[in-house]
Amino acid sequence: DTAVSQTPKYLVTQMGNDKSIKCEQNLGHDTMYWYKQDSKKFLKIMFSYNNKELIINETVPNRFSPKSPDKAHLNLHINSLELGDSAVYFCASSLRAPGETQYFGPGTRLLVL
Amino acid sequence: QKEVEQDPGPLSVPEGAIVSLNCTYSNSAFQYFMWYRQYSRKGPELLMYTYSSGNKEDGRFTAQVDKSSKYISLFIRDSQPSDSATYLCAMSGGTNAGKSTFGDGTTLTVKP
Repeated sequence: DTAVSQTPKYLVTQMGNDKSIKCEQNLGHDTMYWYKQDSKKFLKIMFSYNNKELIINETVPNRFSPKSPDKAHLNLHINSLELGDSAVYFCASSLRAPGETQYFGPGTRLLVL
Repeated sequence: QKEVEQDPGPLSVPEGAIVSLNCTYSNSAFQYFMWYRQYSRKGPELLMYTYSSGNKEDGRFTAQVDKSSKYISLFIRDSQPSDSATYLCAMSGGTNAGKSTFGDGTTLTVKP
């Protein structure tokens, strides 16, 4: 059973395109996150949702828009993709937000050409 | 200055060595301290979780937290080639409740 799953695993696209990444967790957790990991392995939080409500919105271009249809799903839509968006995007979940350990998905490797 | 600084590595050790991975932090409100292990092309997975100061042991792994010095460590005894991965420290608490702040990661290679 996959606890946190993401689709797609790989995404290669042209600059200017719009793309979405989907995430689902079957752990019954209340909180979900999106992280961006660059080539130097630095993991930076982008967004966090708790029970479908946005609770963390870091300094991220507004081309990135998260959407949580229910607490088991958190999707990430990216408009007008740029070269600098190339990275690995990880979805994660935790039981509750404060201080809770997080369970990560396998990542989506995005390459913008 | 970053809130969490992690020894950059990379680190290369022979099999059986004791490995010490370290992070320092500046936010005295941090209360929860975690170590994640990330294998190549995989997502991070939780390795150790500690609340406040003290030591925690799990098999070959020991996590230490010294809040007075704002310093945390992960020790790996009898290191194995399967321990080769990137190790990320993370912490949360205080005004950062609700999110974890990660270190940049230390890449460890254990040579057989």
